[in-house]
This record gives sequence, C-alpha cells and structure tokens, in this order.
Amino acid sequence: KAGVTQTPRYLIKTRGQQVTLSCSPISGHRSVSWYQQTPGQGLQFLFEYFSETQRNKGNFPGRFSGRQFSNSRSEMNVSTLELGDSALYLCASGTLSSGLYNEQFFGPGTRLTVL
Amino acid sequence: KNEVEQSPQNLTAQEGEFITINCSYSVGISALHWLQQHPGGGIVSLFMLSSGKKKHGRLIATINIQEKHSSLHITASHPRDSAVYICAVKEGGSEKLVFGKGTKLTVNP
Repeated sequence: KAGVTQTPRYLIKTRGQQVTLSCSPISGHRSVSWYQQTPGQGLQFLFEYFSETQRNKGNFPGRFSGRQFSNSRSEMNVSTLELGDSALYLCASGTLSSGLYNEQFFGPGTRLTVL
Repeated sequence: KNEVEQSPQNLTAQEGEFITINCSYSVGISALHWLQQHPGGGIVSLFMLSSGKKKHGRLIATINIQEKHSSLHITASHPRDSAVYICAVKEGGSEKLVFGKGTKLTVNP
C-alpha cells in the first residue's frame, strides 16, 4: 500500500499570499488530520476530517481552513500568509472505527517558508 | 503548564547504552503514541498504547494509566536511533493528538 502523500513538499510564498496544501491518505483511510510544526511551538493540531466532515479544530485563526473530498483526499488553505506561518505542515491518516483507537500514519510534510 | 511533559529534553548516550525517555500527561486519554522524527521531518509512529507494555525489537513502551505516565526504553542503543522522540496523547473519540515538546536523542558511536 502506498503511504500518505503530501504535495508540494516545499513551498516559498510571500506575506499576504495564500497557499493550498494537499494530502492523499492511505487507501481505505477515511480520517485525515493536519498538524503544524514550528521550532518554537512544536507540533500542534490544526484540524481533523472524517468522511468530508470536520470533526475537530485546533486553536488556529480563521485564516487556516481545510476540506476533505469524497475520495478522502484533503486540502488545507492558509490565507493572508504571515511570517509566523512558516512551518512544516504534516498530515496523518487513520481509519477511525467507532469505539476503537487507530494508529495514525504520517505523511512527509510540506515545508512552507513565508518571506 | 503543558498537557504533555517529556523528559529529558536532550539526551546524549554512547552506543550500547540503555535509554529511557519519560512522558507525563495531565488529561484523560484514550491512547498514547510514541513517535520518532528524523532530521528532514518524517514522522514514524513507533507505538500506540492504552495500557501495559509493548515491545518491538529493541524498543519497549510502557504506560501507567493511574499515574498518567509513560516511558519509552531503547535497549542496546545505536547511532541510527538518533532522532527526536515525541510523546503524544489522543483525546477520546477523536484523532486529535496533543504533543510533548520532544526528546532529542543523540547516540554516539
């Protein structure tokens, strides 16, 4: 089975621009979660999607948004980029069966640099 | 105070040494993950556990739910074990993970 893929792997943007990142989960996985990793804050939860519905959202401003498609692929968008948005953005997929806990499989990440 | 605390922050060991990394958490959880992150960013899930002990090769993870504490042990450490080890706890009924700050392990030959 192919792993979690994220595109693009690297991205350079300037302040004020917007960016869209993509995540394709492992085949059969219906849950996709997004995380931001910065040197100062470490790993922080952004949001989680399951069957095209956002189930949870972290403490990030409304400039951060996401969606999930019927094939479970997910995108996240950041509008009006700020320097502090420079980070590694990771997505993880899982099966999330009700009543059970499931391992998450991480993608390689997209490294976003905002100039 | 962070919900997930890891210790130590940095750890340097000689090849062959026994390594222990600790994780304490303050919230109710459904599961706890130990993750490994190598330079370059890729994260690998090492263990997910909600009770007892798990072993995979030279790695052992334990959790004490009553004490809200978990440990990751590495036996016969090797330079290739050099990485950041991250403890993360999962809130019940959700895929949301809350992460510790990580422990940077360096194993010297």
